[in-house]
Amino acid sequence: KQEVTQIPAALSVPEGENLVLNCSFTDSAIYNLQWFRQDPGKGLTSLLLIQSSQREQTSGRLNASLDKSSGRSTLYIAASQPGDSATYLCAVREAAGNKLTFGGGTRVLVKP
Amino acid sequence: GAVVSQHPSWVICKSGTSVKIECRSLDFQATTMFWYRQFPKQSLMLMATSNEGSKATYEQGVEKDKFLINHASLTLSTLTVTSAHPEDSSFYICSASTWGSNQPQHFGDGTRLSIL
Repeated sequence: KQEVTQIPAALSVPEGENLVLNCSFTDSAIYNLQWFRQDPGKGLTSLLLIQSSQREQTSGRLNASLDKSSGRSTLYIAASQPGDSATYLCAVREAAGNKLTFGGGTRVLVKP
Repeated sequence: GAVVSQHPSWVICKSGTSVKIECRSLDFQATTMFWYRQFPKQSLMLMATSNEGSKATYEQGVEKDKFLINHASLTLSTLTVTSAHPEDSSFYICSASTWGSNQPQHFGDGTRLSIL
């Protein structure tokens, strides 16, 4: 059974610092990995999706890497802003089927 | 882009009431819909997967008679929490995807359910 872990569970940084969020998964037979943002009481906003054959994806200040063999992904957010404060979730999609398994999330607070 | 609408966004009701939550795909045909549950400060847990016109597949530990799922059309799935009790209070989120093994899931904004 796939298990997804996110470390740290919570993170507080001053504005301007770079953020590094980690995600690990136990079964490397994944189809893709996705990073989401969730604001309190809201649904999910997709940030980046990395296919299993890819090593990284970039969108603006966000960069996500994927090392499938070691079961790890890292989300980097450059020059953090207070508006980046949210919970960030990673989810892996298994190769057989389209179910997503989510990590526990990292709650980020960027202090002005 | 693909839009998924979830309704209601928030509901408060008395213990013993049945509550229906709707999930609609507004601009695409959702052949598969997923229902998740999220407790405070925890991650999303998949409850069930429903394919249009078929019975839902429930995850282990989820009571199918408690959480009734209907996916009768390509744009609408409903989750009914029957005889809800305070322990059913949670945040419920649906997602939808169209046909094809590599199609992404598009998420609704969630429903906050509070049972008194």
